[in-house]
Amino acid sequence: DGGITQSPKYLFRKEGQNVTLSCEQNLNHDAMYWYRQDPGQGLRLIYYSQIVNDFQKGDIAEGYSVSREKKESFPLTVTSAQKNPTAFYLCASRASWDRVSEQFFGPGTRLTVL
Amino acid sequence: GDSVTQMEGPVTLSEEAFLTINCTYTATGYPSLFWYVQYPGEGLQLLLKATKADDKGSNKGFEATYRKETTSFHLEKGSVQVSDSAVYFCALSASNSGYALNFGKGTSLLVTP
Repeated sequence: DGGITQSPKYLFRKEGQNVTLSCEQNLNHDAMYWYRQDPGQGLRLIYYSQIVNDFQKGDIAEGYSVSREKKESFPLTVTSAQKNPTAFYLCASRASWDRVSEQFFGPGTRLTVL
Repeated sequence: GDSVTQMEGPVTLSEEAFLTINCTYTATGYPSLFWYVQYPGEGLQLLLKATKADDKGSNKGFEATYRKETTSFHLEKGSVQVSDSAVYFCALSASNSGYALNFGKGTSLLVTP
């Protein structure tokens, strides 16, 4: 079955540590996205990528970094510079670079800073 | 910039009641509009979409019509079920950020037997 996988489902981090969240898709989609969700809030865009080896900052990129070395993978690193990283992180992908295609979402990773 | 405003919840309905969740948007150009649903602890699932004015998206008894004149995309269902309890997000695709989705804050729906 095609889809998006995110791992781990739950992640605990101590203050000052960097952590990397995995996102893999086997849908052969070109575009991939990372969103952050806080309680009672909508989703906010962190980074997006439309093609391998290219990515762009979203609305809240500070304290985060990404890479896109393979089409199917778009890992997100939450660095120690991110002041309030506790949140639910969602990865998404879409087939084509146009406004009509819908995004498909992974199951999410819940990050908690201890 | 582009933005989406949707009615705040939580919304509590009895089973078989009529549901409306209001959504209005501000956008330059001609965005596509989406409704996504999120069950507790899960990712988002596409519920329906509309890509141009007067389009009606529908799925699983839910409907929404793209109204350009009122910049609205209200979600409706004629008879809700307990299994419809979830959080519903209205969103538009934004051309200025790689067609990433711009979301409303979500509306929590609880349907009681």
